[in-house]
Amino acid sequence: GENVEQHPSTLSVQEGDSAVIKCTYSDSASNYFPWYKQELGKGPQLIIDIRSNVGEKKDQRIAVTLNKTAKHFSLHITETQPEDSAVYFCAATDSWGKLQFGAGTQVVVTP
Amino acid sequence: DGGITQSPKYLFRKEGQNVTLSCEQNLNHDAMYWYRQDPGQGLRLIYYSQIVNDFQKGDIAEGYSVSREKKESFPLTVTSAQKNPTAFYLCASMDLGRGSTDTQYFGPGTRLTVL
Repeated sequence: GENVEQHPSTLSVQEGDSAVIKCTYSDSASNYFPWYKQELGKGPQLIIDIRSNVGEKKDQRIAVTLNKTAKHFSLHITETQPEDSAVYFCAATDSWGKLQFGAGTQVVVTP
Repeated sequence: DGGITQSPKYLFRKEGQNVTLSCEQNLNHDAMYWYRQDPGQGLRLIYYSQIVNDFQKGDIAEGYSVSREKKESFPLTVTSAQKNPTAFYLCASMDLGRGSTDTQYFGPGTRLTVL
């Protein structure tokens, strides 16, 4: 089945710097890759997603890149702000269309 | 106000008791999901349902049961057979119709603690 690995597990950045989180997946049939942001005690919220027919997608300060050949995708946050502090999860669909999640990255943005 | 609601927000259970977590959505979504979240781990799928009166086991279904009698409701029962039920439980829903974006939307979660 699908296995999603996410790195790093924690990431500390200075306000204004960029943050990059990387995920790898194992199922070559995966075709949908969402990223979720989860604040403490709340449910995850979708922040951006990408499909396998696209290599990059941007939404203001957030971008996602996908390398199908290498089976990895990354989240890029530019000009980080304190409100970007949260846990971020990547996910990939498995062969049955169900989402498999990475273990999460705790991002801390220090002023 | 549309979305997914979960209740209660916090739930305490004594060992040996069954408890039921509520999940309701008014998004008219076909599919609903239950996930378990433990510290330092990603979300793990417990059960899911793509249509009323039908549901499938996820990766960690043992000790849990569900029902889907109505499209908008997907309650999860944590039974006494679940060995380590203390966790954060998340419900999600997704539209399966034409033009679906494959996006799962999550509720606010229920934190279950076994005393």
